Amino acid sequence: AQSVTQLGSHVSVSEGALVLLRCNYSSSVPPYLFWYVQYPNQGLQLLLKYTTGATLVKGINGFEAEFKKSETSFHLTKPSAHMSDAAEYFCAVISSASKIIFGSGTRLSIRP
Amino acid sequence: DAGVTQSPTHLIKTRGQHVTLRCSPISGHKSVSWYQQVLGQGPQFIFQYYEKEERGRGNFPDRFSARQFPNYSSELNVNALLLGDSALYLCASSLLRTGGQGVGEKLFFGSGTQLSVL
Repeated sequence: AQSVTQLGSHVSVSEGALVLLRCNYSSSVPPYLFWYVQYPNQGLQLLLKYTTGATLVKGINGFEAEFKKSETSFHLTKPSAHMSDAAEYFCAVISSASKIIFGSGTRLSIRP
Repeated sequence: DAGVTQSPTHLIKTRGQHVTLRCSPISGHKSVSWYQQVLGQGPQFIFQYYEKEERGRGNFPDRFSARQFPNYSSELNVNALLLGDSALYLCASSLLRTGGQGVGEKLFFGSGTQLSVL
């Protein structure tokens, strides 16, 4: 069965610092992987997704993620954090039943 | 163009009551999915409908039901509410039957209905 594990329920970084949000997946088939962002009182918005092809995926708002099969990881990064990046971030994988399974989320806080 | 709209935005019910949540997809989208997001957790898949037929069901009790109308809007119904049903209920729409999972496809979420069961 497919699943994702997000390491760290809360990450705090200074404005301008590197953002790294960790996600490890479990999948018996080649996975489709996603990162979504949820701002307060809003629904989820797709940041980026990996299906096939290039393992480094670029998304919106300067975020990118790298699919590493050997490490079963799909970590999300951004070189320089901005105050507007403060939100909840969810890693997700497609299940064998073709449904999205979300991780438990990581809350990103940005310090001035 | 309007995005995915959900109503109401907030709802308070008591245990044992029934609730109906509504969702209007983006114009032209034929697939609607429902998710439950309990505080501090990721969204959990409840149902997917495409062209008015159920295409997928998550691990939820029969108290949960849904339907999709000819205009592709959808309702989620929950009977005999329990305290544990308190959550943010999210609706998402997409163009295709794959419900946002296909290569190059995208899932669009509404802002959700916050349900509190007292």
